[in-house]
Amino acid sequence: DQQVKQNSPSLSVQEGRISILNCDYTNSMFDYFLWYKKYPAEGPTFLISISSIKDKNEDGRFTVFLNKSAKHLSLHIVPSQPGDSAVYFCAASAWTGNQFYFGTGTSLTVIP
Amino acid sequence: EAGVAQSPRYKIIEKRQSVAFWCNPISGHATLYWYQQILGQGPKLLIQFQNNGVVDDSQLPKDRFSAERLKGVDSTLKIQPAKLEDSAVYLCASSPLTTGQGAIYGYTFGSGTRLTVV
Repeated sequence: DQQVKQNSPSLSVQEGRISILNCDYTNSMFDYFLWYKKYPAEGPTFLISISSIKDKNEDGRFTVFLNKSAKHLSLHIVPSQPGDSAVYFCAASAWTGNQFYFGTGTSLTVIP
Repeated sequence: EAGVAQSPRYKIIEKRQSVAFWCNPISGHATLYWYQQILGQGPKLLIQFQNNGVVDDSQLPKDRFSAERLKGVDSTLKIQPAKLEDSAVYLCASSPLTTGQGAIYGYTFGSGTRLTVV
């Protein structure tokens, strides 16, 4: 039962353009959402988060948008840089829960 | 601060053999997690500890997997006997927060151990 879904396994974007990574979830109990970035042979590293009381959170080039009614969130990277090339996982948790549920990841390639 | 240390980085074993992975969390982190990431999938929680007690092991295949966290610091995850479908990256993560808060604010992952069962 995949509670968090990333339907695009891969995405290619030109350097300087916007990258938009999407994530859908099914569990209405999820309150907190995070994005992790993973380089090959490394563990995931935390990138940005958003709670359900907000619909947008921004940190530098990274912005996460949350649409609770659609159970959808997206990560925008502007402008995209070659160093952003990695696998991006979205994850969700509930305040009353103990764990993150991860999506399957989207592999982003930023072309110089 | 030093990160989450895991060893070995890679391991290849034959099916039905046993294997153990080791994790040293960030100093002072009370909560420790083991995740399994199969190729093409997102990480899946196997077990989480709060200090040296188990908080959630509902997704741990207990007939073959075991884990312990002695003295609330280092942790080992063991598979005995291994099956082909256990081939995955095993990630350890830690958080200074309680289990619920760690799930909200994120935690720090190690680089993982890549297990190949042949």
